Amino acid sequence: GGIITQTPKFLIGQEGQKLTLKCQQNFNHDTMYWYRQDSGKGLRLIYYSITENDLQKGDLSEGYDASREKKSSFSLTVTSAQKNEMAVFLCASSIHQDTQYFGPGTRLLVL
Amino acid sequence: AQSVTQPDARVTVSEGASLQLRCKYSYSATPYLFWYVQYPRQGLQMLLKYYSGDPVVQGVNGFEAEFSKSDSSFHLRKASVHWSDSAVYFCAVIYQGGRALIFGTGTTVSVSP
Repeated sequence: GGIITQTPKFLIGQEGQKLTLKCQQNFNHDTMYWYRQDSGKGLRLIYYSITENDLQKGDLSEGYDASREKKSSFSLTVTSAQKNEMAVFLCASSIHQDTQYFGPGTRLLVL
Repeated sequence: AQSVTQPDARVTVSEGASLQLRCKYSYSATPYLFWYVQYPRQGLQMLLKYYSGDPVVQGVNGFEAEFSKSDSSFHLRKASVHWSDSAVYFCAVIYQGGRALIFGTGTTVSVSP
């Protein structure tokens, strides 16, 4: 088995701040994903990456950057945090279209 | 646009009762279908998946789901729920040629004693 680790678990930021979320996986999966979870809206895809140094935009990519410098890690940057923003960011990994395994999430609050 | 619909935002059932959660997708071809569960303050865990073959698939913890091509549905069932089944349940699909999951909005299940 493997595990996905997300850091930090909680992130409190200020309006306009650049914030970075990190994700590590030891499944040796090729594909990694970042989803945003808002109450009552399910999960929406921000970015995904099918291999090291690859980046693919999802429906919610505006306002975010991503980086996949190693196969095992995938970072997400909120380029300018929005006041009163509150969401959970979930990282996942998979082999192609097979089961996606999720991390525990990073909870973001912007003051 | 491709979408997944879970019409019930919240469901409350008594412990020991049966449970059915509904899911419908909009797409002309059959996608890969999944049910995920999210326990409080945890990430998502897959309950079961359907790629092809027998339309009834078995998952973990006594859950099963039935695929219907004619109805474009993938409903989740459990014969007898336990208090520990209280969670949020998400239906999700991957369309042919796609990579990422498309999620429904989730159904919150509360199991009362």
